[in-house]
Amino acid sequence: EDQVTQSPEALRLQEGESSSLNCSYTVSGLRGLFWYRQDPGKGPEFLFTLYSAGEEKEKERLKATLTKKESFLHITAPKPEDSATYLCAVQGKDSSASKIIFGSGTRLSIRP
Amino acid sequence: GAVVSQHPSRVICKSGTSVKIECRSLDFQATTMFWYRQFPKQSLMLMATSNEGSKATYEQGVEKDKFLINHASLTLSTLTVTSAHPEDSSFYICSASRGRPQDTQYFGPGTRLTVL
Repeated sequence: EDQVTQSPEALRLQEGESSSLNCSYTVSGLRGLFWYRQDPGKGPEFLFTLYSAGEEKEKERLKATLTKKESFLHITAPKPEDSATYLCAVQGKDSSASKIIFGSGTRLSIRP
Repeated sequence: GAVVSQHPSRVICKSGTSVKIECRSLDFQATTMFWYRQFPKQSLMLMATSNEGSKATYEQGVEKDKFLINHASLTLSTLTVTSAHPEDSSFYICSASRGRPQDTQYFGPGTRLTVL
């Protein structure tokens, strides 16, 4: 059974303090790993899709990396506006119709 | 690109009434649309997957007669919560993808349903 585990559950950082969020996954052949950002009361906002181990993608202060067992979302010199819940999701090759499995998320809080 | 809208954003209804939520892909054709439910401080729970012109596939434990899903066109899917009760109060979110394997799901802004 496909599984996704995110850690930590919550993370509080000072503005400018870089850190990483972890997404560990177990899947029967990875089709894709997705990172989303979700603000309270809103739908998830797409950040990145990673398809194979070794792949990296960047957007502003965020960088996502992928290995065969986990993905990291690195946040460099974060600002208060980066505060949100970050969700990781995977799609396995056995899943049908683009269905994805979500982790429980990491709630990130950046203090000014 | 890849914008998904939902309407309404917020709805309050009386117990026993039905509520329809619309999900539209504004700038792409969505072969597949998904409906999720999210409780406070929890992750998204997939309710059903729908392909344009086909019957929706419901996840285990989701009542298909209570949560009616229609995906009549490549840009519109609707979720109707029939005979709503207070326990149906939740945040409902749709997503859309082009339907090919590995395709990214793009999410709508969500609909907050409160049943009195």
